[in-house]
Amino acid sequence: GAVVSQHPSRVICKSGTSVKIECRSLDFQATTMFWYRQFPKQSLMLMATSNEGSKATYEQGVEKDKFLINHASLTLSTLTVTSAHPEDSSFYICSAPTSGGYKTYEQYFGPGTRLTVT
Amino acid sequence: GENVEQHPSTLSVQEGDSAVIKCTYSDSASNYFPWYKQELGKGPQLIIDIRSNVGEKKDQRIAVTLNKTAKHFSLHITETQPEDSAVYFCAASMASYDKVIFGPGTSLSVIP
Repeated sequence: GAVVSQHPSRVICKSGTSVKIECRSLDFQATTMFWYRQFPKQSLMLMATSNEGSKATYEQGVEKDKFLINHASLTLSTLTVTSAHPEDSSFYICSAPTSGGYKTYEQYFGPGTRLTVT
Repeated sequence: GENVEQHPSTLSVQEGDSAVIKCTYSDSASNYFPWYKQELGKGPQLIIDIRSNVGEKKDQRIAVTLNKTAKHFSLHITETQPEDSAVYFCAASMASYDKVIFGPGTSLSVIP
C-alpha cells in the first residue's frame, strides 16, 4: 500500500532557530499534501494545503511567514518552522492523497514529527 | 467551515464488550467520513471510512453508520480487545483526497 514518510521523526531546536520537516510520498505521486499540527491530548488541526508547483494555502490563524511550505516535487513537501519558539513545540503530521493510477483516492498520513523548542 | 464534534471524550469498556463513538458534523457538503486510530507518538491510521451514498459499512469487528439527514455518524467496535485501546478520531471531508477536519477524539481503554 501507499506509504508516506516524515523526516526527522523528532527534533529538538533552540528558540529563535529554524527547523525543516520533510514529508515524502514513497510510492506514489502527490500533487497535494496537507500539514497538520497536534498539541498534547488534542486533535489534529489543519495548518495548510501544500500544492506542487504553486503557493500553499494556509488555514485561518496560521502564520504563512512563520510556517514556510515548499512543494517542489510530486513526492516531497517541506514545512519550515522559522524563528521557532517554545509554543511551536508540537507534533507535526503530513498527509497525502493518492492520485493517478489508483482506482480510488485514499489519503495516507505520515508518522509525524515531534518538535521540541527549548 | 466544517465543524466535527465527538462523544464521549473518554470511554472505558471491559474486554469483549462493545464500544460506540458518536460524531456530528456541520457542513452538509461533506461526503467522506473516515475514522482514524492513533496510538501514542504515532500518526493516525485509517481504520474504516464511509461515503455519503452509503448508510452503513462493516469490516470484521468494526462498523460505521451514517445518517446524512441528521449529520450524524457513529463507530461501533464489537468484541473489544486490549489492543483496541487508543485514541479514535472521526473526521469529515468533501472527498477522500481532500483536507480532513478532525473531531476532538475519544480515548478508548479496553480493560482485560
